[in-house]
Amino acid sequence: DAGITQSPRHKVTETGTPVTLRCHQTENHRYMYWYRQDPGHGLRLIHYSYGVKDTDKGEVSDGYSVSRSKTEDFLLTLESATSSQTSVYFCASHSRGGTSYNEQFFGPGTRLTVL
Amino acid sequence: KQEVTQIPAALSVPEGENLVLNCSFTDSAIYNLQWFRQDPGKGLTSLLLIQSSQREQTSGRLNASLDKSSGRSTLYIAASQPGDSATYLCAVVFGDNYGQNFVFGPGTRLSVLP
Repeated sequence: DAGITQSPRHKVTETGTPVTLRCHQTENHRYMYWYRQDPGHGLRLIHYSYGVKDTDKGEVSDGYSVSRSKTEDFLLTLESATSSQTSVYFCASHSRGGTSYNEQFFGPGTRLTVL
Repeated sequence: KQEVTQIPAALSVPEGENLVLNCSFTDSAIYNLQWFRQDPGKGLTSLLLIQSSQREQTSGRLNASLDKSSGRSTLYIAASQPGDSATYLCAVVFGDNYGQNFVFGPGTRLSVLP
């Protein structure tokens, strides 16, 4: 499996506070993604990046921002956390070359609780 | 709207049975399709990736097929084992753009009983 780590793995925070989640990959993948997973909704794309400093919005981007200053790191920021953002957040990445063309690999997830 | 559905939502089988999980998608113009498994409280593990030009992929006891014209993919698991118990998700990439528009199905929760 690709080397993708997420930090923190668990976080409890209060409504209105900013939160930053980090995704780090060691595969030199160009593309990186942030998803949230909720019961009844499955996995939904928040933001994605197609290169350093190149990002775009996904299906559920409101209240979230991202940054990518290095190939290996993709940060997700909740500007002012709300209870509706309580979820499990997954990072994913993939390349576009080789035998695993476009195969997405996932991190272990971050469980975020907003009180 | 591009959608992915999976049937059944849950499945329980005795150990040793062969089984089929289904994935349907609304747009035949897909780029590729990927099957994952997810264990409770864990991330997603990639099982098989099928490019749009391929009809099937195999890995061990797993075989995934793709029929773009009918908007369907199946994941066949041979000789199921209790360790196969997990949720299986399919993800479809629609189109070919920077967004690599991955759309996930809701998953099929599989229980293999010893």
